Amino acid sequence: EVQLLESGGGLVQPGGSLRLSCAASGFIFYNYAMSWVRRAPGKGLEWVSAISGSGGTTYYADSVKGRFTISRDNSKDTLYLQMNSLRAEDAAIYYCARHPGSGTYYFFDYWGQGALVTVFS
Amino acid sequence: DIQMTQSPSSLSASVGDKVTITCRASQGISNYLAWYQQKPGKVPKLLIYGASTLQSGVPSRFSGSGSGTDFTLTISSLQPEDVATYYCQKYNSAPLTFGGGTKVEIK
Repeated sequence: EVQLLESGGGLVQPGGSLRLSCAASGFIFYNYAMSWVRRAPGKGLEWVSAISGSGGTTYYADSVKGRFTISRDNSKDTLYLQMNSLRAEDAAIYYCARHPGSGTYYFFDYWGQGALVTVFS
Repeated sequence: DIQMTQSPSSLSASVGDKVTITCRASQGISNYLAWYQQKPGKVPKLLIYGASTLQSGVPSRFSGSGSGTDFTLTISSLQPEDVATYYCQKYNSAPLTFGGGTKVEIK
């Protein structure tokens, strides 16, 4: 059974940093690209970042480019999102999501339960 | 970047009604279009990919159509458990943009 379990969410002040993790199980992790998707309170889904199965290719939404870094450790079956220079508008539930293949131009077939990030001043 | 516009933003329909949601891309995306359902307090769920291919386990009352710039998600007979927000998403290239969402309620 495919499982994705996020951790690392919490409260942070504007300008602060946070690192989210997503532990994967139930599939061969390095064979699949992964993404982070967020949903801010009262807003719709927003794709944040994607990474290929090997980790060699990454993409970012303009809203987070230069502040967020996606990475993965295929030896630990874990996906990461390092978030720096956090802003109030980054407050959201962050989901990790699996692409159904190793490439990044894909839809998402499995989703984690989400990690809540709150940015307060 | 390609923009994805959904309409309507919300709708209310009776149980058994046929419901249609539209998604328009600002440029052609062939059939690289997926639809998701997110129920209140739940995780998004993939319904359709490739514009018209039903994900395994999704009820057959859901269907998708379209290609290029105009796409449609249809619920042939609305059920109480279909109350949710529905999103389209394009995936022909980055950014992997979602539409703004359509909230479906029961009248």
